[in-house]
Amino acid sequence: GQQVMQIPQYQHVQEGEDFTTYCNSSTTLSNIQWYKQRPGGHPVFLIQLVKSGEVKKQKRLTFQFGEAKKNSSLHITATQTTDVGTYFCAGLDSGGSNYKLTFGKGTLLTVNP
Amino acid sequence: DAEITQSPRHKITETGRQVTLACHQTWNHNNMFWYRQDLGHGLRLIHYSYGVQDTNKGEVSDGYSVSRSNTEDLPLTLESAASSQTSVYFCASSESWAGELFFGEGSRLTVL
Repeated sequence: GQQVMQIPQYQHVQEGEDFTTYCNSSTTLSNIQWYKQRPGGHPVFLIQLVKSGEVKKQKRLTFQFGEAKKNSSLHITATQTTDVGTYFCAGLDSGGSNYKLTFGKGTLLTVNP
Repeated sequence: DAEITQSPRHKITETGRQVTLACHQTWNHNNMFWYRQDLGHGLRLIHYSYGVQDTNKGEVSDGYSVSRSNTEDLPLTLESAASSQTSVYFCASSESWAGELFFGEGSRLTVL
């Protein structure tokens, strides 16, 4: 079945440093979504990428979707303590009619002030 | 404001008991989902529904069931709770089947 691998599992940075998490799928994706979950909270939608090679920015966050639509990345420039949380990618399989949005295991980001 | 609510937020039960977790959304979304979240496993899909009377199994559906009698609610039932079902359960809904998910605040279930 479809697998979505996300690395790294954990990342600790000093405030002001950059952060990147990577997501790789075993199958070609229709779209990829990114979510953030604060400690003790619930996942909150950040963005959805649909097109091959797509790049989207939200303030200090940059999201990329690979040309082959099998990988994606989230880059945070100059991290702040408010960025703390777990970042999940979720890939929607393009094959078949059954719903197959598969989440990666997430990257836990901690930021030292 | 539209929202999605889960209840109870915390529950402790014993092995073998039947447990039902409620999920109610006021967005009028057709698509609703149940996930469980465990350390080291991320979010795994249990069941999902595209509309009233429609239910589908996800990747970890064994031991769980859902029913969809109206648009707003998708209750999750554990027929005979097992310790392996100790987890945090999230309900979610979406306007389109491929669109963003709106998650509830979660229900933490402990099975002793």
